[in-house]
Amino acid sequence: ILNVEQSPQSLHVQEGDSTNFTCSFPSSNFYALHWYRWETAKSPEALFVMTLNGDEKKKGRISATLNTKEGYSYLYIKGSQPEDSATYLCAFNDYKLSFGAGTTVTVRA
Amino acid sequence: NAGVTQTPKFRILKIGQSMTLQCTQDMNHNYMYWYRQDPGMGLKLIYYSVGAGITDKGEVPNGYNVSRSTTEDFPLRLELAAPSQTSVYFCASSHEADNQPQHFGDGTRLSIL
Repeated sequence: ILNVEQSPQSLHVQEGDSTNFTCSFPSSNFYALHWYRWETAKSPEALFVMTLNGDEKKKGRISATLNTKEGYSYLYIKGSQPEDSATYLCAFNDYKLSFGAGTTVTVRA
Repeated sequence: NAGVTQTPKFRILKIGQSMTLQCTQDMNHNYMYWYRQDPGMGLKLIYYSVGAGITDKGEVPNGYNVSRSTTEDFPLRLELAAPSQTSVYFCASSHEADNQPQHFGDGTRLSIL
């Protein structure tokens, strides 16, 4: 069982503001780090799969960075919109995924 | 595009009953997974399979069984339902384990009373 930790557990953001949050994972035996977006009453949807140290991925206003040597990844949301409200899960892949508990983002209009 | 399909969407069971949660995917993925969602705990892996005829335990396998007779189907069986198994169950699939995202079904909400 791998310890994947996400912080903060939840955050509230004003519409238009930018925000970021963290995923920490074991720095040994790294294969990949996944980010998923999970809206209420829906199923998780993949945002990024990151495999290389220093990786930066971007999808619209959402981007992520990866530091495998120190075992963390940041997810950034630029100019938050109400539709960005969701729980963001990261998952460490060492042949199978170990998920963090998620960061729940609420964007206030 | 069907993707990953789970049935049923909702079910209420009595303690001690058994049932099978169905999962099928039409993407020809070799890897399939079963997770349960517990409040504040994210997703916990129950069982996974890397191909037809091959299954392995995840983090929380007790009380569950799986089989993988075809590439498409990966059913999850609860033999003796217990209140602790009340949860939302998600099935997922992917091409390979390393750098491919997982595709999730819509979930099965199971209550055991």
